[in-house]
Amino acid sequence: AQKVTQAQTEISVVEKEDVTLDCVYETRDTTYYLFWYKQPPSGELVFLIRRNSFDEQNEISGRYSWNFQKSTSSFNFTITASQVVDSAVYFCALSAPAMVNTGFQKLVFGTGTRLLVSP
Amino acid sequence: DSGVTQTPKHLITATGQRVTLRCSPRSGDLSVYWYQQSLDQGLQFLIQYYNGEERAKGNILERFSAQQFPDLHSELNLSSLELGDSALYFCASSLGPIVGTEAFFGQGTRLTVV
Repeated sequence: AQKVTQAQTEISVVEKEDVTLDCVYETRDTTYYLFWYKQPPSGELVFLIRRNSFDEQNEISGRYSWNFQKSTSSFNFTITASQVVDSAVYFCALSAPAMVNTGFQKLVFGTGTRLLVSP
Repeated sequence: DSGVTQTPKHLITATGQRVTLRCSPRSGDLSVYWYQQSLDQGLQFLIQYYNGEERAKGNILERFSAQQFPDLHSELNLSSLELGDSALYFCASSLGPIVGTEAFFGQGTRLTVV
């Protein structure tokens, strides 16, 4: 069965430090998608990135970067020069079949990593 | 703003009661998903609708039901509520039937059962 592991429960950093959030996934599918979502204290889930299993290129978006390595089944997220506004819970998620042989999929989420950035 | 609207934002009700949570997907999105976020279970997939039809079920209790209407908005009905149903309920929408397309979440409805 599909599974996402975010081993870091909580990380505390001081502003301007770089921080990496780890994500390890398990799947037998050859085609799948990986996602990162941010949940700030206000509670909503904010989409950050989607990556398909055939695209192992790393991606950078401003202070955010993602490292996808199929060989280690990891999809890690790095925030460079962290800011207080980055404080949130970050979820890694994996697409998985919602029902067998239907083509419909669901998201399987990790347990999240709480990032605390202090001034 | 994700474009997915959920109402109400907060709901407090007593055990044994029934509530309805509402979701309006992003304009043009045909697929709606419901998720439950609780402290002990994390984010769990409940059910998916695509263009008005139920397409997939996850860990949804029999006391819970949902539907998607012709205008594509969706409702999640929770009945015979128990204390353990207290959670944050999210609706998400995507253009296509598979979640490989980007799925955007609403702000959630926080349900408290007392």
